[in-house]
Amino acid sequence: EDQVTQSPEALRLQEGESSSLNCSYTVSGLRGLFWYRQDPGKGPEFLFTLYSAGEEKEKERLKATLTKKESFLHITAPKPEDSATYLCAVPNQAGTALIFGKGTTLSVSS
Amino acid sequence: DTAVSQTPKYLVTQMGNDKSIKCEQNLGHDTMYWYKQDSKKFLKIMFSYNNKELIINETVPNRFSPKSPDKAHLNLHINSLELGDSAVYFCASRQTSGGETSTDTQYFGPGTRLTVL
Repeated sequence: EDQVTQSPEALRLQEGESSSLNCSYTVSGLRGLFWYRQDPGKGPEFLFTLYSAGEEKEKERLKATLTKKESFLHITAPKPEDSATYLCAVPNQAGTALIFGKGTTLSVSS
Repeated sequence: DTAVSQTPKYLVTQMGNDKSIKCEQNLGHDTMYWYKQDSKKFLKIMFSYNNKELIINETVPNRFSPKSPDKAHLNLHINSLELGDSAVYFCASRQTSGGETSTDTQYFGPGTRLTVL
């Protein structure tokens, strides 16, 4: 069964303290790995798509990387406005929907 | 603004009632989805709908029925509401056909928080 596992469930950082979030997946024939950001009371907001091992994408303080079994979302010198839940997802085998992990809730304090 | 929109934002109702949630996208996408996010924030697919093809998640009770009047709208009807239906429901859309205009990315609406009393 296709699965997506994210760790840690929650992460508390001080402003400027860099860290990484992990997303491991078990799906045959990966057709993309997606990162979303979700703020409280809002819908998931698209961040990145990665397709092949070794691929990296960056946006402001965020950088996403992909290996054959997992993806990392690196957060460099985070600010309080980076506080949110970060969701990782992969398409199901039929390509008809996304399978989401349970997310990592990031809190950045000043 | 181009977006996926949902109405209502909040819905509070009694057990046994029938209710609907509406979704509209003006992105010109051909595929729409309904997801359910439970109290533990876990997002799970309920339905995907591409033109006239409806793909149903087998774990969804048949009290839930999606209805699409046109390509830009996908509504969710729920009959005989139960306490366990309380959750946040998200609509999403994606362009799956059209070669260069297709995309793997799904764009989500703001969600509808359903509370069943």
